[in-house]
Amino acid sequence: DTGVSQDPRHKITKRGQNVTFRCDPISEHNRLYWYRQTLGQGPEFLTYFQNEAQLEKSRLLSDRFSAERPKGSFSTLEIQRTEQGDSAMYLCASSFSGMGLAGDTDTQYFGPGTRLTVL
Amino acid sequence: KNEVEQSPQNLTAQEGEFITINCSYSVGISALHWLQQHPGGGIVSLFMLSSGKKKHGRLIATINIQEKHSSLHITASHPRDSAVYICAVSKASGTYKYIFGTGTRLKVLA
Repeated sequence: DTGVSQDPRHKITKRGQNVTFRCDPISEHNRLYWYRQTLGQGPEFLTYFQNEAQLEKSRLLSDRFSAERPKGSFSTLEIQRTEQGDSAMYLCASSFSGMGLAGDTDTQYFGPGTRLTVL
Repeated sequence: KNEVEQSPQNLTAQEGEFITINCSYSVGISALHWLQQHPGGGIVSLFMLSSGKKKHGRLIATINIQEKHSSLHITASHPRDSAVYICAVSKASGTYKYIFGTGTRLKVLA
């Protein structure tokens, strides 16, 4: 199976610690998205990449959050000095954008998520 | 006011019932998506709509662009349909991010 994978699936950390999550998108997908979902809510957009370029960041992405996609393949999301309010499910998704060419379906494929608990 | 609103928030049905979940949005869109999320977090895409109607098995999705409204119907519901159903839109402005509704938690009783 070559779906979107995320690691780790669960992370428990103490307030003030740094955490890093990894996302491996579907191999031919050039767009990669990060979302955050809190209990009982729909996901909220954090940031997205086209290849290695970070094209948009949400206001939700404070300066404690940083995301990278160094070679246009996998991506990492780092949270520094975690706070209890950061506890959430962090979802990664990928899609193919052919700039209007065939195959550009605008359909995102989601990974299983990383559940973060900050104590 | 959220850009994407769903109703109802929670729904309990008996097996075999016809189910409708509604989604309204307030922005111009390039597409509307219906997604299914099971406990544990995994999200699966059910439909992508830009006009009209789509059917897959017992699931039917419709969209009315003029009224900015979409519905997801489940015919002959089954306990395995129990999940959270989420409506999301891609804006017409060219950014491809999804804007999500809060989801409808469906429980189908045997």
